[in-house]
Amino acid sequence: AQTVTQSQPEMSVQEAETVTLSCTYDTSESDYYLFWYKQPPSRQMILVIRQEAYKQQNATENRFSVNFQKAAKSFSLKISDSQLGDAAMYFCAYRSAMDDMRFGAGTRLTVKP
Amino acid sequence: GAVVSQHPSWVICKSGTSVKIECRSLDFQATTMFWYRQFPKQSLMLMATSNEGSKATYEQGVEKDKFLINHASLTLSTLTVTSAHPEDSSFYICSARVPGQGPNTEAFFGQGTRLTVV
Repeated sequence: AQTVTQSQPEMSVQEAETVTLSCTYDTSESDYYLFWYKQPPSRQMILVIRQEAYKQQNATENRFSVNFQKAAKSFSLKISDSQLGDAAMYFCAYRSAMDDMRFGAGTRLTVKP
Repeated sequence: GAVVSQHPSWVICKSGTSVKIECRSLDFQATTMFWYRQFPKQSLMLMATSNEGSKATYEQGVEKDKFLINHASLTLSTLTVTSAHPEDSSFYICSARVPGQGPNTEAFFGQGTRLTVV
């Protein structure tokens, strides 16, 4: 079974600064997909960024980028120029070709003004 | 993006009663939907995969007789918590993907349902 580990229960960043959230996963599959989701206080899950395992290039979406290290099974999220609206729970997720999605325990990000 | 609507947003029920939660894909047909449970300050735990026209696939440790899933149409899956008890109180979230677009596409989530059993 696949497992997703987020070792940082809480993180804090100053507004306009950069923060990196860690995620590691364990799998024996070669074909899979990785996601970062954001859950604000409303609890609506919002996709932040996605990465296909077969792609070596790290995904980027505006201020959000990932550092995907396939051999190390690591998938960290970097948020640049942090904004107050970035404060939320962030979940790393793994999806296999079998289509079910598994989530890490989450990291609560606080953004300080 | 695609819209998944979940209803109700919150519900309070008495212990021993049953409660039904609906998950609808509003602008696409979803052959597969997923039901998650989230305890306070914890992650989403996959409960079951709901398959249109067939039986749901439950994760290990999830009581299928307790959490009844019906996916009778391509746009609606329901989760019924039967004989609810206070320990069933939780946040339940459904999700679906637009079919035919590959597993790298995002899953769209409902707004979630907060169930409180008193």
